[in-house]
Amino acid sequence: QKEVEQNSGPLSVPEGAIASLNCTYSDRGSQSFFWYRQYSGKSPELIMFIYSNGDKEDGRFTAQLNKASQYVSLLIRDSQPSDSATYLCAVNIGGGSYIPTFGRGTSLIVHP
Amino acid sequence: NAGVTQTPKFRILKIGQSMTLQCTQDMNHNYMYWYRQDPGMGLKLIYYSVGAGITDKGEVPNGYNVSRSTTEDFPLRLELAAPSQTSVYFCASSYSAGGDEQFFGPGTRLTVL
Repeated sequence: QKEVEQNSGPLSVPEGAIASLNCTYSDRGSQSFFWYRQYSGKSPELIMFIYSNGDKEDGRFTAQLNKASQYVSLLIRDSQPSDSATYLCAVNIGGGSYIPTFGRGTSLIVHP
Repeated sequence: NAGVTQTPKFRILKIGQSMTLQCTQDMNHNYMYWYRQDPGMGLKLIYYSVGAGITDKGEVPNGYNVSRSTTEDFPLRLELAAPSQTSVYFCASSYSAGGDEQFFGPGTRLTVL
C-alpha cells in the first residue's frame, strides 16, 4: 500500500514568517514529488515539483527532498495571507503505473 | 485553451438515481483521471485512463464506471447513487504520468440525498 502522510494542521504562522510543510512517503521507489495548493472551494494547482535530492527554489517557495529519509518538504518564505490554503503533497511511483498518490493535505493559515 | 472543463458544477441526486459527470480537456493530454475529495481529506483516485480506449481502476472504483472513446473526453458514470458518493469530484489530465504536472478541472459538487 503506497502511503503519503501529511499533518492535517492547521498550521498557523504570522505574516512574514517561514511556513514549513512536511510530507513523508512509504515507497522507496518514488521518483517524482509534487506540491499542489488548493484554495477553499477551488481545484488544486501545481506550485512546485522536485525529482532529485536537495533543494529547489522558485521565488518564495523552496522544495526539499530527502530520499534516504523518505520525506519532502515545502518552505514558504515571507508568508502572506494569500498563501492561506491547503497544500497537497503528491508522489509518483516509478517503474509501474506512475499514477500519483496524494496526501490528505495540510491547512495553512497566515494571519496578519 | 480552456484547459480541463467539467459539467455540471453542482448536482443533487436522490438515492438510486444515475448520472454522468462530464470532463473534457483540450491540451491533447494522454492521461486523464477522476478523483473524489471528501471534506478534510486528500484526493482519492477513482479511475484513470492512459489513452483513448484504455481505462483502469484506481483506489475507490466501486459504484462508478468510465469510458474513454476520444482523447478529449473522459466521462464518469454513477449508477444507483448512494449517500456515500456525496463528494466533490475532480477530473484531471496530464501529458504523461511519471514526472508530469496534473491539470485539474473546477470540480463537481455532488450531493446524494
